[in-house]
Amino acid sequence: KAGVTQTPRYLIKTRGQQVTLSCSPISGHRSVSWYQQTPGQGLQFLFEYFSETQRNKGNFPGRFSGRQFSNSRSEMNVSTLELGDSALYLCASSPPTGTSLQETQYFGPGTRLLVL
Amino acid sequence: QKEVEQDPGPLSVPEGAIVSLNCTYSNSAFQYFMWYRQYSRKGPELLMYTYSSGNKEDGRFTAQVDKSSKYISLFIRDSQPSDSATYLCAMSGNRGNNRLAFGKGNQVVVIP
Repeated sequence: KAGVTQTPRYLIKTRGQQVTLSCSPISGHRSVSWYQQTPGQGLQFLFEYFSETQRNKGNFPGRFSGRQFSNSRSEMNVSTLELGDSALYLCASSPPTGTSLQETQYFGPGTRLLVL
Repeated sequence: QKEVEQDPGPLSVPEGAIVSLNCTYSNSAFQYFMWYRQYSRKGPELLMYTYSSGNKEDGRFTAQVDKSSKYISLFIRDSQPSDSATYLCAMSGNRGNNRLAFGKGNQVVVIP
């Protein structure tokens, strides 16, 4: 099975711009979560989508948003970029409910965003 | 206090040594415990998964969970240079809750 894929892998933006990141989960996985990873804060949960609905949300400002499509692919958007948004953005998908390891998550390679 | 504490200090060990990593947590609702390994410029990959208290062994890796002390550990026996990576502990609560709480990670370097 192909793993979680994320595009693009690298992005450079300037303050005030907006950015959209894309994630394709493992085939058959319907839950997609997004995390922000920085050296100072580590991995922090942004939000989770399941069946095109946001199911969980972390403590990030409203500039961070996401959505999920009917094929389980997900996008996240960050508007009005700030310098502090520079980070590795990771997408993860989870096995279906009722299967083993449903509590685990499988991560993509991430999108490295640099805000100048 | 953060939900999950993992001393992020780097760890250098000679090849063949035992690597010992640990995390503490404050949320007694956590029941599912994981260790992820992250190589440089890659996403985390699932290494070990444990439900509730107990030990789990997989090859050179052993995961231990002590829920009474809110303490989890990962041991790597006969460490190899290919084990050089950052190791992250992660945990979650109720089944179906896909919100993982992570420790900050330990960078491990195994010196040949």
